[in-house]
Amino acid sequence: KAGVTQTPRYLIKTRGQQVTLSCSPISGHRSVSWYQQTPGQGLQFLFEYFSETQRNKGNFPGRFSGRQFSNSRSEMNVSTLELGDSALYLCASSLGKEGETQYFGPGTRLLVL
Amino acid sequence: EDQVTQSPEALRLQEGESSSLNCSYTVSGLRGLFWYRQDPGKGPEFLFTLYSAGEEKEKERLKATLTKKESFLHITAPKPEDSATYLCAVSGGSNYKLTFGKGTLLTVNP
Repeated sequence: KAGVTQTPRYLIKTRGQQVTLSCSPISGHRSVSWYQQTPGQGLQFLFEYFSETQRNKGNFPGRFSGRQFSNSRSEMNVSTLELGDSALYLCASSLGKEGETQYFGPGTRLLVL
Repeated sequence: EDQVTQSPEALRLQEGESSSLNCSYTVSGLRGLFWYRQDPGKGPEFLFTLYSAGEEKEKERLKATLTKKESFLHITAPKPEDSATYLCAVSGGSNYKLTFGKGTLLTVNP
């Protein structure tokens, strides 16, 4: 079974721009979660989608948004990029029940200059 | 609010020298405790899920255990390829997020 895939793998943007990241979950998984990983803060939860609905949201500003499509693929968007948004963005998929194991993709490395 | 604390932050072992990593947690209604391994520049790789106190799981040189307040990841006779950052996470209550610790960076020297 193919794992979680994320595109693109690397991105370089400048302050003020916006960016869209994509995530394809494991086949049959209906939940997709997004996390931001930085050296200082570690892994932090952004949001989670299940059947095209956002069920959970972390403590990030409104510049961070996401959506999920009917085929469970998900995108996250960051508008008006700031230097501090430089991070590894990870998505994870699961079947969607509470307490289930989440499987992570390889991540998208975003550098904001 | 769920909290996870991992110790030590870094651990250096000689090949064959067994040790344990600690994960202390505070969560309202534990749904699951998860261990992941992460290599530099890659996404976390799933290792174990534990659901209730007293549960143990093993995989090759790794064994994870769970109590009501903490979890241990025991590494027996480690090899250099076990070098990585080991992450602990919890899921609790009626939400679907994982709360992660900062991780333990394990280095195994040949």
